[in-house]
Amino acid sequence: QVQLQESGPGLVKPSETLSLTCAVSNASITTSYWSWIRQPPGKGLEWIGYLHYTGSTIYNPSLRGRVTISLSASRAQFSLKLTSVTAADTALYYCARHPGASFDLWGRGTLVTVSS
Amino acid sequence: IVLTQSPGTLSLSPGERATLSCRASQSVLSRYLAWYQHKPGQAPRLVIYGGSKRATGIPDRFSGSGSGTDFTLTIDRLGPDDFAVYYCQHYDNAPLWTFGLGTKVEVK
Repeated sequence: QVQLQESGPGLVKPSETLSLTCAVSNASITTSYWSWIRQPPGKGLEWIGYLHYTGSTIYNPSLRGRVTISLSASRAQFSLKLTSVTAADTALYYCARHPGASFDLWGRGTLVTVSS
Repeated sequence: IVLTQSPGTLSLSPGERATLSCRASQSVLSRYLAWYQHKPGQAPRLVIYGGSKRATGIPDRFSGSGSGTDFTLTIDRLGPDDFAVYYCQHYDNAPLWTFGLGTKVEVK
C-alpha cells in the first residue's frame, strides 16, 4: 500500500525557514509528480508547488522566491523549504502525488505554526 | 480561476441524495476538474477526476457531471462513511491547481 508521510518541526519562528519532508513508501518516486499543498486554519487549500523526479520544479507564483522543493538523495522522499515565514504561513501542510491533473494520493498532513 | 462551492453545509440523513455544486469563474475543461473527500485527521481522498471518472475504490453511488462553469458531485444514498468535507479542484496549464472552499456534508 502506497503511503505518504509528512514530517518536520511543528513550530517555526517568524522570519525563519520552514522545512518539511515527505516520505514515500511502497512506490517509486520516479513514477509521478509530487506536490506540496497547504491549508491555513479555517481557509481553503493552496497548491504550493511540484517536483518531478528529474528534478524539475514548478511553484505557485504567490510563493515564488520563498519556496524550494527538492528530491532527497535516497529518492524515497522529497522536501519543502519555505523561507522568511510569517503567521500567514501557519497551516496544515500536505504532500501529494499527481500522475496528471488530480492528486490521487495524499499524506495526512502536518501542522506547522509560525510563532515566536 | 476561482471555484465557488455551494452550499457551504449540507445537512442530510443517511440514505438521502447529496448534490454538491462547484462553479468556476470562467469556463473550464471538465477533464481538469476533480473532487476530493476529506475527513478530519485523515488524508484527503480523490473521489472524481476528469470531471466524471470515479477514482479507484470509489463506489458507484458517487458521480460527477457538468461542463463549462458548472459542475456537480452527486452522492446517491448517503452512507455513514460519506459524511465529510468535499472539495472541487481545477488544473490549468500554467500549471496551477486551485481548490474550492469545500462543502461539508453533515448528518441531519
